[in-house]
Amino acid sequence: GEKVEQHESTLSVREGDSAVINCTYTDTASSYFPWYKQEAGKSLHFVIDIRSNVDRKQSQRLIVLLDKKAKRFSLHITATQPEDSAIYFCAAEVASSSFSKLVFGQGTSLSVVP
Amino acid sequence: GPKVLQIPSHQIIDMGQMVTLNCDPVSNHLYFYWYKQILGQQMEFLVNFYNGKVMEKSKLFKDQFSVERPDGSYFTLKIQPTALEDSAVYFCASSLEDTQYFGPGTRLLVL
Repeated sequence: GEKVEQHESTLSVREGDSAVINCTYTDTASSYFPWYKQEAGKSLHFVIDIRSNVDRKQSQRLIVLLDKKAKRFSLHITATQPEDSAIYFCAAEVASSSFSKLVFGQGTSLSVVP
Repeated sequence: GPKVLQIPSHQIIDMGQMVTLNCDPVSNHLYFYWYKQILGQQMEFLVNFYNGKVMEKSKLFKDQFSVERPDGSYFTLKIQPTALEDSAVYFCASSLEDTQYFGPGTRLLVL
């Protein structure tokens, strides 16, 4: 079945710098890739997604890149702020399923240091 | 964004007892999900539910698990009987199409 690997388990950046979190997936048929943010003790909050018909999507300071050939997608957070500190999860939608099912990465704990 | 609610936020029970976790999904959503997250591990899919039926379940969705949404009320996950390995955070999600919105989770501790 689909496997999603999130390469950085922890990431620390200085406030104002960019943060990049990378994920790879195994199922070439996957076509939907959301990202979620989880602050301590809180739920997953949807932040941005990308579908396989595009290779780049931006929403304010968030940019998602998708490389279908390499089966890789990444989240770029520009001009980081302390409130960006959280655990970020990437996910891929399992394409073989008749109904949506997400497979998650292991999470990246991002710390933005003032 | 859309809000999914879960009740209770925490539950402690003795092994072998029954527990029901409740989810109040986004009102116009059609698809419902349960995921399980053991501390320090990634979130794993349990089951999805549509039009009153389980559409797909994972191998984590043991025979002791059941889900239902009677008359459009709460979407529930029942575990009967519970086992020690059921201790985890259970997240409910709902969606209209692709994007799934998650609740805050129920932290279940089985003693």
